[in-house]
Amino acid sequence: QLQLQLSGPGLVKPSETLSLTCTVSGGAVSRTNYYWGWVRQPPGKGLEWIGSIYYTGSTDYNPSLRSRLTISVDPSKNQFSLNLSSVTAADTAVYYCARPVRGALLQDWGKGTTVTVSS
Amino acid sequence: EVVLTQSPDTLSVFPGERATLSCRASQTVNSNLAWYQQKPGEAPSLLIYGASTRATGVPARFSGSGSGTEFTLTISSLQSEDFAVYFCQQYNHGPWTFGLGTKVEI
Repeated sequence: QLQLQLSGPGLVKPSETLSLTCTVSGGAVSRTNYYWGWVRQPPGKGLEWIGSIYYTGSTDYNPSLRSRLTISVDPSKNQFSLNLSSVTAADTAVYYCARPVRGALLQDWGKGTTVTVSS
Repeated sequence: EVVLTQSPDTLSVFPGERATLSCRASQTVNSNLAWYQQKPGEAPSLLIYGASTRATGVPARFSGSGSGTEFTLTISSLQSEDFAVYFCQQYNHGPWTFGLGTKVEI
């Protein structure tokens, strides 16, 4: 059974970088044909696709975030990570890590974490 | 990007009744549409993909239909555990996008 555990700070200052890590258990992040992804949900709003990374390291980012976003994988720790730079209050959201089957269908989810951008 | 419009925003139904939720796409997404259920404080869970295929373990009372730009999620007989928010997602055109959700309440 695949499990995803998200970790990271709950509070980030404006203009700083938001860094989140998702630790995978029950499977390898380097498993062939697996994607890993990030989704967020601003307070009281719908879901937003942030981006994903393929087991090869190839990434696919939401164009609205591309200039500030980096998603990476660390097979040695069985983790994948999100870094979002120059954050503003608009980045305040519940962030989820997930495994998108076929790069799109969010089959497995980690428990979300609330990230607040505030000074 | 593709905009998904869900209606209604809130659907009030009695247990045992049928619920019909709508999702309309701003351009064709073929059958590349999924539905998710989200309960308070939880991550969403995948219900339907390919517009009409139930995900593993999803009860048969959930059914999806439609193609192109008009899609429907039907819950044939609402159970207490079905009261939740339902989101549609398109994965035909990147970036994948979601609707704002329909809340199904008692």
